[in-house]
Amino acid sequence: ETGVTQTPRHLVMGMTNKKSLKCEQHLGHNAMYWYKQSAKKPLELMFVYNFKEQTENNSVPSRFSPECPNSSHLFLHLHTLQPEDSALYLCASSQDLLSRNTEAFFGQGTRLTVV
Amino acid sequence: AQSVTQLDSHVSVSEGTPVLLRCNYSSSYSPSLFWYVQHPNKGLQLLLKYTSAATLVKGINGFEAEFKKSETSFHLTKPSAHMSDAAEYFCVVSDLEGGFKTIFGAGTRLFVKA
Repeated sequence: ETGVTQTPRHLVMGMTNKKSLKCEQHLGHNAMYWYKQSAKKPLELMFVYNFKEQTENNSVPSRFSPECPNSSHLFLHLHTLQPEDSALYLCASSQDLLSRNTEAFFGQGTRLTVV
Repeated sequence: AQSVTQLDSHVSVSEGTPVLLRCNYSSSYSPSLFWYVQHPNKGLQLLLKYTSAATLVKGINGFEAEFKKSETSFHLTKPSAHMSDAAEYFCVVSDLEGGFKTIFGAGTRLFVKA
């Protein structure tokens, strides 16, 4: 285990549902990330938080809404998703923002299926 | 602009034979390079990283990678594959260009045959 925990592991939701993904880390890290991993596509960075403040929104549609109440917790609120949003959503954390010497620690991901 | 290319989407080897996963990068500065591994239904785990020290980097589980600036490559190797090495491997470049950016390759899936 890497110290980054994501729940739920699997989620099936309809296009009109509202759901939330949760990520928790007890590594004392200051930066947290949401990534989207789709089949046959590179890992896509969605959001970056550093010391609870959002530092990057990588042109993500507003149907994805992140929340970072403290440095240990990160949420991704989902609303009126599309079938093409089905993917593995990975949360990661790092001591500081990813840089030359900083590695990321990943959770196991939430497998999301939108029906 | 920085980029990373993993030259093979799939690699298949027999158990006990060498593994070579290829990665080429493009960077304007002096990048850091990483290899991550993702086993089925797991998150990504760091295998090794290069940060401008020794060009031959040793990682976990017997993997190593060599940074070759002249070839802009950072290929991952292992002398003898084990069944447990079957996974997806990601090459990652991190650079200063335009503020620190971390770019993931598309991944190479490694199959290991008994």
